[in-house]
Amino acid sequence: QQPVQSPQAVILREGEDAVINCSSSKALYSVHWYRQKHGEAPIFLMILLKGGEQKGHDKISASFNEKKQQSSLYLTASQLSYSGTYFCGTEWMAGNMLTFGGGTRLMVKP
Amino acid sequence: DAGVTQSPTHLIKTRGQQVTLRCSPKSGHDTVSWYQQALGQGPQFIFQYYEEEERQRGNFPDRFSGHQFPNYSSELNVNALLLGDSALYLCASSFGQGVLNSPLHFGNGTRLTVT
Repeated sequence: QQPVQSPQAVILREGEDAVINCSSSKALYSVHWYRQKHGEAPIFLMILLKGGEQKGHDKISASFNEKKQQSSLYLTASQLSYSGTYFCGTEWMAGNMLTFGGGTRLMVKP
Repeated sequence: DAGVTQSPTHLIKTRGQQVTLRCSPKSGHDTVSWYQQALGQGPQFIFQYYEEEERQRGNFPDRFSGHQFPNYSSELNVNALLLGDSALYLCASSFGQGVLNSPLHFGNGTRLTVT
């Protein structure tokens, strides 16, 4: 089953924070996060594994709540370059296919 | 170090025709996955190739078929094209099927338009 992302779209001013959620009705092994800019390939951001810790780099981090089967992506002090569509991809066992959510469109304005 | 390359970038076909899309994986990668992305939606998994065999398949009809060559490159074939097949087709490569922490590296895709 396809994971559900929320919100579907969000508009921010530079420097503001945002949270994007990804929920699954099925027990998950891992959650992947990708960002896609218009007309470009999706770019890998990070993987969170079942039982793993919160990960992050720069001002983008994520967590994985196994009880809720939900992952959240945190964007802190957003920059113009953060604009794009964020996709979560879920994997219910190691090596299984990655199933992507419908995406969250993020626009950061000056 | 070349990333994932796909060809052609754009393609226009007529209903009922057949199409072949090509993908070269990132250097060092041996697994290729194909995704279909309709406008405004997330990528939908078509199938994955590893060691020249189809290992996993999503919910796509048999009109969609593929192949992986000994050099790890891959082809996606679609027969009897329908208008609904119009989409961006993304190829993604990774290392080792089932390897932990193996992210997907995507190509820029092939935009297929069926008229």
